[in-house]
Amino acid sequence: EADIYQTPRYLVIGTGKKITLECSQTMGHDKMYWYQQDPGMELHLIHYSYGVNSTEKGDLSSESTVSRIRTEHFPLTLESARPSHTSQYLCASSARASNTEAFFGQGTRLTVV
Amino acid sequence: DQQVKQNSPSLSVQEGRISILNCDYTNSMFDYFLWYKKYPAEGPTFLISISSIKDKNEDGRFTVFLNKSAKHLSLHIVPSQPGDSAVYFCAASDGAGSYQLTFGKGTKLSVIP
Repeated sequence: EADIYQTPRYLVIGTGKKITLECSQTMGHDKMYWYQQDPGMELHLIHYSYGVNSTEKGDLSSESTVSRIRTEHFPLTLESARPSHTSQYLCASSARASNTEAFFGQGTRLTVV
Repeated sequence: DQQVKQNSPSLSVQEGRISILNCDYTNSMFDYFLWYKKYPAEGPTFLISISSIKDKNEDGRFTVFLNKSAKHLSLHIVPSQPGDSAVYFCAASDGAGSYQLTFGKGTKLSVIP
């Protein structure tokens, strides 16, 4: 049973607002990821972290930012939300060793109006 | 350029029969492959994986086959059950490198009672 949690599950917000999507895991995993997925499309990596104070941008360019101050916490922030940011955001984590599965949270469905 | 391709967007199978989901990849550096199952508005759930040193891995009703020369893998579900109805994502990583997972677009499986 994966122990990775995302809040909120659903968020409808107005254009220009600042939002933070929360992600926490209790498995002590070093690696954490944020993926973005639109319906019928693949998951695209937007940010990842190999440990505390480590953050990198993924393959898909994103206006969001992330931080990793604690091992268990990997929040994603949008300073000024736009309708183009409407999507599902999925957080995941995996153990340090290579070739291990990533465990996903339940996702946040973001709608910017 | 998609490195992981799932060319069938959808598949319908009768309950009790075999479901076969296919995945092709182009990156020769991929050495670890995973299948995830995803329900709407939920995060992906890990199903089964296979390392490139193997050609088959089995877990209960789920079996993954890997054909490295053809850069092709498949997921077999036998027997299929209505609860298996979901979107199935194929993913790959080059573990020695970035640890990132590259996903396909998914195949929606419908198991008809």
